[in-house]
Amino acid sequence: DADVTQTPRNRITKTGKRIMLECSQTKGHDRMYWYRQDPGLGLRLIYYSFDVKDINKGEISDGYSVSRQAQAKFSLSLESAIPNQTALYFCATSDSGVAFFGQGTRLTVV
Amino acid sequence: GESVGLHLPTLSVQEGDNSIINCAYSNSASDYFIWYKQESGKGPQFIIDIRSNMDKRQGQRVTVLLNKTVKHLSLQIAATQPGDSAVYFCAERFNRDDKIIFGKGTRLHILP
Repeated sequence: DADVTQTPRNRITKTGKRIMLECSQTKGHDRMYWYRQDPGLGLRLIYYSFDVKDINKGEISDGYSVSRQAQAKFSLSLESAIPNQTALYFCATSDSGVAFFGQGTRLTVV
Repeated sequence: GESVGLHLPTLSVQEGDNSIINCAYSNSASDYFIWYKQESGKGPQFIIDIRSNMDKRQGQRVTVLLNKTVKHLSLQIAATQPGDSAVYFCAERFNRDDKIIFGKGTRLHILP
């Protein structure tokens, strides 16, 4: 089993719909991150969390929200999806600065 | 500012030669730097790291060099193999809040 699991792996949704991407980890790490990957733009940080009571905005948090339901779970929501949120989304965990990534969720907003 | 970037988007190297991938960063407060490898269809995976109090670190076939004077980081891969074909990212950690910021990535293409 993967240490960092993302669901779903692929999703197509319509403009204006609410969508949630989920992430769970078995590494026991306190720090969790959500990144977005676009071609030519690398990985950009959306939100990060150091524990269930700590949520921080990253570089591109507008249009996104997160919830840290437990140490092991960190979900990303798009309240009203728009086409330019079409991207590959990665969840990651860390305890010492090295990030461990999930397999990614490919989201398409049509 | 908070910016980590790479000089070249694509690097083509002959199999067996050494590869050098470069990265420039802008935040002097970063205390820790990491190189990741991302293969097609997968998430990035850790290769090697270096702390800001070091200027060189070696792993198996890989070496990371850090030049804090010019805010430059490089990854050297010895005897490049077909399995090294991937996108390579540098990342920096901001010590004050453990935020991890990535550069745009360099695609390494291996020529037969």
